Amino acid sequence: AQTVTQSQPEMSVQEAETVTLSCTYDTSESNYYLFWYKQPPSRQMILVIRQEAYKQQNATENRFSVNFQKAAKSFSLKISDSQLGDTAMYFCASVYNNNDMRFGAGTRLTVKP
Amino acid sequence: DTAVSQTPKYLVTQMGNDKSIKCEQNLGHDTMYWYKQDSKKFLKIMFSYNNKELIINETVPNRFSPKSPDKAHLNLHINSLELGDSAVYFCASSHTAGQSTDTQYFGPGTRLTVL
Repeated sequence: AQTVTQSQPEMSVQEAETVTLSCTYDTSESNYYLFWYKQPPSRQMILVIRQEAYKQQNATENRFSVNFQKAAKSFSLKISDSQLGDTAMYFCASVYNNNDMRFGAGTRLTVKP
Repeated sequence: DTAVSQTPKYLVTQMGNDKSIKCEQNLGHDTMYWYKQDSKKFLKIMFSYNNKELIINETVPNRFSPKSPDKAHLNLHINSLELGDSAVYFCASSHTAGQSTDTQYFGPGTRLTVL
């Protein structure tokens, strides 16, 4: 069974600064995928970034990047130049096939002006 | 051009009633899902379904049943609603190619309140 742990229930950051959200996971699978989703107050689930476990290179999407440490089973999300619109719940998720996606408990991020 | 849509967005009903939530995707995906997000924001998969297979999370009561009239739709029927069913329900879809995992795209969610 897969488990995903987000140890930071809440975080805050000043606008324009950088923040890192932590995520660890536990799986016995060799081929799996990791995701970060964002859920703003509108409650829409929005994909932020995706990482394939077989790829060593860390995924990057504009201001969002991950630090993927496969041996440590760690998948942290770094948000650079934080913007007010980044205020949201952030969920880390893992999946090894399409039938079993597991989410962490979420981190509530507040960007302060 | 909404990719994954759900109706209704809000649903308020009495205990014991039967209700349905509809989900449609126009992404051409072949796998659809239902998730439940509880009051603590915890997301848990309820079902995944493609043309060949329905996978049910064993913790889901049999009062919940997914119904798929075609590949683009996966509706959620709930019988004999209970207070504990109050939650936000998300539909999602993805493309499946063998064991390859593609990104799941979510609908806007349906907030169900059982009184």
